[in-house]
Amino acid sequence: DAGVIQSPRHEVTEMGQEVTLRCKPISGHNSLFWYRQTMMRGLELLIYFNNNVPIDDSGMPEDRFSAKMPNASFSTLKIQPSEPRDSAVYFCASRQGFSGNTIYFGEGSWLTVV
Amino acid sequence: TQLLEQSPQFLSIQEGENLTVYCNSSSVFSSLQWYRQEPGEGPVLLVTVVTGGEVKKLKRLTFQFGDARKDSSLHITAAQPGDTGLYLCAGGRNTGNQFYFGTGTSLTVIP
Repeated sequence: DAGVIQSPRHEVTEMGQEVTLRCKPISGHNSLFWYRQTMMRGLELLIYFNNNVPIDDSGMPEDRFSAKMPNASFSTLKIQPSEPRDSAVYFCASRQGFSGNTIYFGEGSWLTVV
Repeated sequence: TQLLEQSPQFLSIQEGENLTVYCNSSSVFSSLQWYRQEPGEGPVLLVTVVTGGEVKKLKRLTFQFGDARKDSSLHITAAQPGDTGLYLCAGGRNTGNQFYFGTGTSLTVIP
């Protein structure tokens, strides 16, 4: 079975440009999470969706970040405009059911903003 | 402020040694998970514990959930180079369906 699929795997962009990260969760999973990982702050939850509905976006850094989940098989995380401090690895993860069940992570999107 | 603090943050040991990683919080969790993350990959689940005082063993790895469900430990016996990676604990709550990750412990096992 295919796991969580993220794209792009690596992206280098200039400050001020728009960045769109994409995620395809595991089929049948009803929860989707976006995390950001940096050396300084570790793994931070940005937003999570349950049944395509955003439940908690309190981790989204600021208005420059937005996330959508138009259907059960696709989600995007957009940064506009991007800044150097947004450089990080962004992980998408999905889960079936509720807390306590396994969260499956994608391989991450490595973003560098110069 | 991190909800879950892990210690130590970095650990470098010789092959064959034993080690313990700690995950502590002032909050109560309904479940706690341990993940291992290798460079260039996403975290992969090792174990889930849900009952206070629960102990689970996975080959050379022993996981314990604190009685009060606020802390957990991971003990590795006779560490091997293949154990090298970032170990993350994550606490879940029944309300809100959220999962909070710890600060992480980076383990290096030297052959």
